Amino acid sequence: NAGVTQTPKFQVLKTGQSMTLQCAQDMNHEYMSWYRQDPGMGLRLIHYSVGAGITDQGEVPNGYNVSRSTTEDFPLRLLSAAPSQTSVYFCASSLRAMNTEAFFGQGTRLTVV
Amino acid sequence: QQQVKQSPQSLIVQKGGISIINCAYENTAFDYFPWYQQFPGKGPALLIAIRPDVSEKKEGRFTISFNKSAKQFSLHIMDSQPGDSATYFCAASRSGAGSYQLTFGKGTKLSVIP
Repeated sequence: NAGVTQTPKFQVLKTGQSMTLQCAQDMNHEYMSWYRQDPGMGLRLIHYSVGAGITDQGEVPNGYNVSRSTTEDFPLRLLSAAPSQTSVYFCASSLRAMNTEAFFGQGTRLTVV
Repeated sequence: QQQVKQSPQSLIVQKGGISIINCAYENTAFDYFPWYQQFPGKGPALLIAIRPDVSEKKEGRFTISFNKSAKQFSLHIMDSQPGDSATYFCAASRSGAGSYQLTFGKGTKLSVIP
């Protein structure tokens, strides 16, 4: 029972490079989301999806794109990496959009130099 | 605008003591209040959650107290153990169309010393 799987676990990027953080869940959850975690800032929502083909912005969406072509996958794209995007990124999924338990992946630690 | 304020930022408790973490919210439409526990190098995991129709919920050594009129809720960890050392996040969300966000507090790093 894999739950929410994120890859890679660690990544170093140069400023201006692009990359995609992968997220997959095997629980047939409707809702998926991406958060970034920075020291002293808690978890801030980047983008979310309430189902395949439907995405929307969260609190800190600038510099990131998402798509949801299948129920299982929700990749996060960094278009042109900046040092301010150095963070730990978490993908989460839950059965429904509202008021249900969110299951988090193990996180991706990204460093932009 | 920070919608969920959490305190303290860090907490040191002796083994066997009571750990108390507090959260306050601003949006009266919030109707689901979970607490997440995060160990170093891991993702957060749901610990316990409460809805505003009850004032208290207990699961083992963990209790949420909820004060709707004060817009506050707190996590109490009884008989704290070194294995409870982790970062704890309170969160809040609301029902209704267009409300698909779980808003987190900034976290409390708990250290339980032997």
